[in-house]
Amino acid sequence: NAGVTQTPKFQVLKTGQSMTLQCAQDMNHEYMSWYRQDPGMGLRLIHYSVGAGITDQGEVPNGYNVSRSTTEDFPLRLLSAAPSQTSVYFCASSYSRSGSYEQYFGPGTRLTVT
Amino acid sequence: KQEVTQIPAALSVPEGENLVLNCSFTDSAIYNLQWFRQDPGKGLTSLLLIQSSQREQTSGRLNASLDKSSGRSTLYIAASQPGDSATYLCAVYNNNDMRFGAGTRLTVKP
Repeated sequence: NAGVTQTPKFQVLKTGQSMTLQCAQDMNHEYMSWYRQDPGMGLRLIHYSVGAGITDQGEVPNGYNVSRSTTEDFPLRLLSAAPSQTSVYFCASSYSRSGSYEQYFGPGTRLTVT
Repeated sequence: KQEVTQIPAALSVPEGENLVLNCSFTDSAIYNLQWFRQDPGKGLTSLLLIQSSQREQTSGRLNASLDKSSGRSTLYIAASQPGDSATYLCAVYNNNDMRFGAGTRLTVKP
């Protein structure tokens, strides 16, 4: 198993540009989520999905969209990038939403918005 | 709103020392608590998962405890090694929402 994969590893955007961060898992996990990590603040939940076709907002959803058309993929879209979105983005997955299973994280995407 | 705090923010110890990392949380209604390790520029690696009904979990030199009623967890690392140097994060999970502490940056000196 490749686990949780994310692309790209690094990205530089100009203010106002849009882009999609890709996330895929090959473990048939039901639950997937996106986090951002900023210095001194830990990770914060952006959006999550409990299955194909079902998504919901986390703690910091503004400026981001998600969709879940398949079990494997959970892309994160930045609609109009802002400097405040400069961060490291992590995708995670878990077998179910029940909390009985550990979460697995991807390697991250380091995004800079100028 | 759930808040997770980790103390200390940074810790430096000589090799071979036993050490304890602390995690506290404000809302005891959790499904589980998970400890992660993060190396610089890398993703998170799960170390231990403690269900809400459990008191502790062990893996090798690591032992994590959970006291839900007091909102505390500790990660005990025995006989520390330079390879243990990393940032350690705790996170609590409840109702589709995982909340993280800011982490403890551990340095183990040879």
